[in-house]
Amino acid sequence: AQKITQTQPGMFVQEKEAVTLDCTYDTSDQSYGLFWYKQPSSGEMIFLIYQGSYDEQNATEGRYSLNFQKARKSANLVISASQLGDSAMYFCAMREPRNPRPWGYQKVTFGIGTKLQVIP
Amino acid sequence: DTEVTQTPKHLVMGMTNKKSLKCEQHMGHRAMYWYKQKAKKPPELMFVYSYEKLSINESVPSRFSPECPNSSLLNLHLHALQPEDSALYLCASSPRGTSGRVDTGELFFGEGSRLTVL
Repeated sequence: AQKITQTQPGMFVQEKEAVTLDCTYDTSDQSYGLFWYKQPSSGEMIFLIYQGSYDEQNATEGRYSLNFQKARKSANLVISASQLGDSAMYFCAMREPRNPRPWGYQKVTFGIGTKLQVIP
Repeated sequence: DTEVTQTPKHLVMGMTNKKSLKCEQHMGHRAMYWYKQKAKKPPELMFVYSYEKLSINESVPSRFSPECPNSSLLNLHLHALQPEDSALYLCASSPRGTSGRVDTGELFFGEGSRLTVL
């Protein structure tokens, strides 16, 4: 079974500073995917970044980068130049190997989340 | 703006009521999901539909009844709910991975329907 661990219930960061949100995972699968989602108080889950288990380079999307250390089974999210609008819950998630096509669905498991608050 | 639309955004119902949550997407995705999220908890998978067929039921009580009438619509019918069923219900969809973009299996979420059972 897959397991996602986020050990930081809450984090504070000064505006314009960088922050790292921790995520470790456990799986026996060789093929898997890792995601980070942001959930503001409005409730919508917003996709931030994806890392495939076979990707050799760390994923980057604008101010977001994923520090992927496969041997340590960690997938930390780095947010550079924090903004007030970054205040939200952040969930690390992992998908199981994709079901054979044409079905195409997969199960995604979420960690318990980290609440990030950006201080002006 | 989200491309997955959920209605209603808020719903208050009694334990004897029958209500439905609706989810719609027009991205051509053939996998659709219902997640339940209690306060201060992560989303938990309830149901998965693939090509309008129920593929996963995570042992959800029968008072929750999903329905996928076509490839764009996903409903969740609610009947005889309990106060502990109060939660945010999130709908999501995912592409089949043949559109040419990287096949990440990314879930596209709606804004959720916040349900309160009295």
